[in-house]
Amino acid sequence: KQEVTQIPAALSVPEGENLVLNCSFTDSAIYNLQWFRQDPGKGLTSLLLIQSSQREQTSGRLNASLDKSSGRSTLYIAASQPGDSATYLCAVRLYSGGGADGLTFGKGTHLIIQP
Amino acid sequence: NAGVMQNPRHLVRRRGQEARLRCSPMKGHSHVYWYRQLPEEGLKFMVYLQKENIIDESGMPKERFSAEFPKEGPSILRIQQVVRGDSAAYFCASSPFQREDEQYFGPGTRLTVT
Repeated sequence: KQEVTQIPAALSVPEGENLVLNCSFTDSAIYNLQWFRQDPGKGLTSLLLIQSSQREQTSGRLNASLDKSSGRSTLYIAASQPGDSATYLCAVRLYSGGGADGLTFGKGTHLIIQP
Repeated sequence: NAGVMQNPRHLVRRRGQEARLRCSPMKGHSHVYWYRQLPEEGLKFMVYLQKENIIDESGMPKERFSAEFPKEGPSILRIQQVVRGDSAAYFCASSPFQREDEQYFGPGTRLTVT
């Protein structure tokens, strides 16, 4: 059974810092990995999607890497801003098996950027 | 292109009543997924549907829960005889044809059972 773990569970840093959020998964037979942000009481906003054949994806100040063999992904946020405060979720889609069509989520990293 | 739409955004039901949650996928998307987020827990996959077809319901509770995606109209997640433990945020996502595609999420329906 696929399990996704995110570390740290919570993080508070001053504005302007670069930071790294970590995600690990137990089953490396994945189709893709997605990073989302979730604001309190809101839905999920997709940030980056990495296919299993890719090593990284970049969008603006965000960079996500994927090491499928070790079951790890990192989300790098450059020059953090107060507007980046949210919960960041990592999710993987399995290659096959029961529930493979759905995403398996980690519990998220709750990020606070102090002005 | 409007995003994934869900309604109602908030739903209050008494124990024993039925809850119906609706989801309209993004235009051009034919795949719909339902997820549940219980308080203090992560999002859990429930069911994956295409038009008129349930593809994978391995995450659905065996009783009281059902889902459909008719040829016309939104996808419906139906919870019969709700209990307090059903209180959660229910999210719908949609994607285009290819299985590897990104999933786009709606704003969710927050169900409260009193």
